[in-house]
Amino acid sequence: GAGVSQTPSNKVTEKGKYVELRCDPISGHTALYWYRQSLGQGPEFLIYFQGTGAADDSGLPNDRFFAVRPEGSVSTLKIQRTERGDSAVYLCASSPGQLSYNEQFFGPGTRLTVL
Amino acid sequence: AQKVTQAQTEISVVEKEDVTLDCVYETRDTTYYLFWYKQPPSGELVFLIRRNSFDEQNEISGRYSWNFQKSTSSFNFTITASQVVDSAVYFCALLSFNAGKSTFGDGTTLTVKP
Repeated sequence: GAGVSQTPSNKVTEKGKYVELRCDPISGHTALYWYRQSLGQGPEFLIYFQGTGAADDSGLPNDRFFAVRPEGSVSTLKIQRTERGDSAVYLCASSPGQLSYNEQFFGPGTRLTVL
Repeated sequence: AQKVTQAQTEISVVEKEDVTLDCVYETRDTTYYLFWYKQPPSGELVFLIRRNSFDEQNEISGRYSWNFQKSTSSFNFTITASQVVDSAVYFCALLSFNAGKSTFGDGTTLTVKP
């Protein structure tokens, strides 16, 4: 079956612009996660959805970052007024069931470059 | 605060050697989960194993084995008879019970040379 997909695979934008990154989880997976991974570092948690609601958004670095999952499937990570420090690979993962410790299936990521 | 330390940034071995990747964690929680993920050059993280804090039994899966020691807050990963295909970045991660936020280490880059 299809895995987690993320679009676009690469995004180049200018400082101050708005960007949207999309994640299509594995069909039927109720949990969805967003991470940010900088070069040479491990994934950094941003937000966790269970269904349509954000169960834990404690990792969002500031109010320029926002994520939605309106129908409990596809999710969009939105970054306003991008800064050069936002450049990273943004990873999405999904997992089945209601338990947050289930195995996470990761997508290929979106590489965001802010010039 | 939670923390995961993978002190080995890079390891290089020759094929067929055994190699151990270290993971040390910090948490105040009594119930938590530990994970190992593999990130091959293609980029997508792949789940390898999950252990909960109440199960210190070591686990073996083929050439892979894991040693969980609560007394030293360590969850080490050993690859026996390494192969070139094992070359990847390996991440250890910690998750508190009933929480969504996982804390990852910075990874260990394993290079297996033929």
